[in-house]
Amino acid sequence: GQQLNQSPQSMFIQEGEDVSMNCTSSSIFNTWLWYKQEPGEGPVLLIALYKAGELTSNGRLTAQFGITRKDSFLNISASIPSDVGIYFCAGPGGNAGNMLTFGGGTRLMVKP
Amino acid sequence: DTEVTQTPKHLVMGMTNKKSLKCEQHMGHRAMYWYKQKAKKPPELMFVYSYEKLSINESVPSRFSPECPNSSLLNLHLHALQPEDSALYLCASSRLIPGLAGGRLYEQYFGPGTRLTVT
Repeated sequence: GQQLNQSPQSMFIQEGEDVSMNCTSSSIFNTWLWYKQEPGEGPVLLIALYKAGELTSNGRLTAQFGITRKDSFLNISASIPSDVGIYFCAGPGGNAGNMLTFGGGTRLMVKP
Repeated sequence: DTEVTQTPKHLVMGMTNKKSLKCEQHMGHRAMYWYKQKAKKPPELMFVYSYEKLSINESVPSRFSPECPNSSLLNLHLHALQPEDSALYLCASSRLIPGLAGGRLYEQYFGPGTRLTVT
């Protein structure tokens, strides 16, 4: 089945810095989702992408659907302490593409 | 409103206990999911319900028994669990199970989870 490789695995940055993370798939996707999970909570959907080349923003977050349809990128500008958490990419998975498959996550730590 | 609620927030149970986890959504979604999540790992799919019927069982041991009493509620009954079953159990819902149409049907909304500890 599909595998998602997410990188980096973790980032420790200074408040105010910009952050970039990416996700690659072994197969072509028609949908990319980005979730954030804070400690002790469930994942929260941040951005959904449906078309190759699509660029979508949600506040300081911007995500792009790669034109090869095998990758996606998430950028966070001017990071703040509340950006701390694990960011997961997700896309179609399962034999019939009827479920989500998740990347391994990028753990973001922000130093005030 | 994209809220999925789960109770209890925390649960400690012995290996001989029987307990249940509950999940509720009022978004009119007809697909509901149970996931298990270990620390620092992504969620792992356990079960999928579509229109209140079990659609996918990802080879989950029978000590986990799901139930969908109506379109808003999803339960997970636990019996004779092992310490390695300790994890965060997440419920999620989506409008429908995605298929070839894909797109927005992949958008799943998660509850806050139940932190389960088996002693």
